[in-house]
Amino acid sequence: DSGVTQTPKHLITATGQRVTLRCSPRSGDLSVYWYQQSLDQGLQFLIQYYNGEERAKGNILERFSAQQFPDLHSELNLSSLELGDSALYFCASSVDPQEGYTFGSGTRLTVV
Amino acid sequence: GESVGLHLPTLSVQEGDNSIINCAYSNSASDYFIWYKQESGKGPQFIIDIRSNMDKRQGQRVTVLLNKTVKHLSLQIAATQPGDSAVYFCAEKGGSYIPTFGRGTSLIVHP
Repeated sequence: DSGVTQTPKHLITATGQRVTLRCSPRSGDLSVYWYQQSLDQGLQFLIQYYNGEERAKGNILERFSAQQFPDLHSELNLSSLELGDSALYFCASSVDPQEGYTFGSGTRLTVV
Repeated sequence: GESVGLHLPTLSVQEGDNSIINCAYSNSASDYFIWYKQESGKGPQFIIDIRSNMDKRQGQRVTVLLNKTVKHLSLQIAATQPGDSAVYFCAEKGGSYIPTFGRGTSLIVHP
């Protein structure tokens, strides 16, 4: 157990739908990062939050959004889902943005 | 288990051999490098890191070598075990503090 908790582990939904993925960072970690991992794209950075505020944005689609709450957990919202959004979505956390971070075990999203 | 990549470079070794996984990075301004291991169905797991002011760092059974001249990073695993079978990613960090991950190398250890 890495200390980073992601729920749900698996999610199957239809095209056009909206889903929310949840992440609880390791105790004491203020930064949360979201990554998408697909078979042909590898690990792609989506967005980072630090202590409730957006800190950096990567290749995140406009259909996707995220937030970090006062208790530091984070949610990634994916809307108007397309088949190509099927992927593993990882959350990671760190106490210091200059160090490496700890990943959760991911949410496997399948859009049918 | 889940596959994280169908077209990854693959390294096959026999149990007990030493493994060397290579990574070329792109940003000459990167000053922090990390190796991650990802087993099937799990998230990437931190193995070892190195800063740009070093050219070698050793951990337990693992050594990372950094050659800044040619922007090359390698991970050496001594006495490779079946439990080392996984996809290995290198990541580089520059001023943005957001690591950029390589595509990964699949290590297969044969008993």
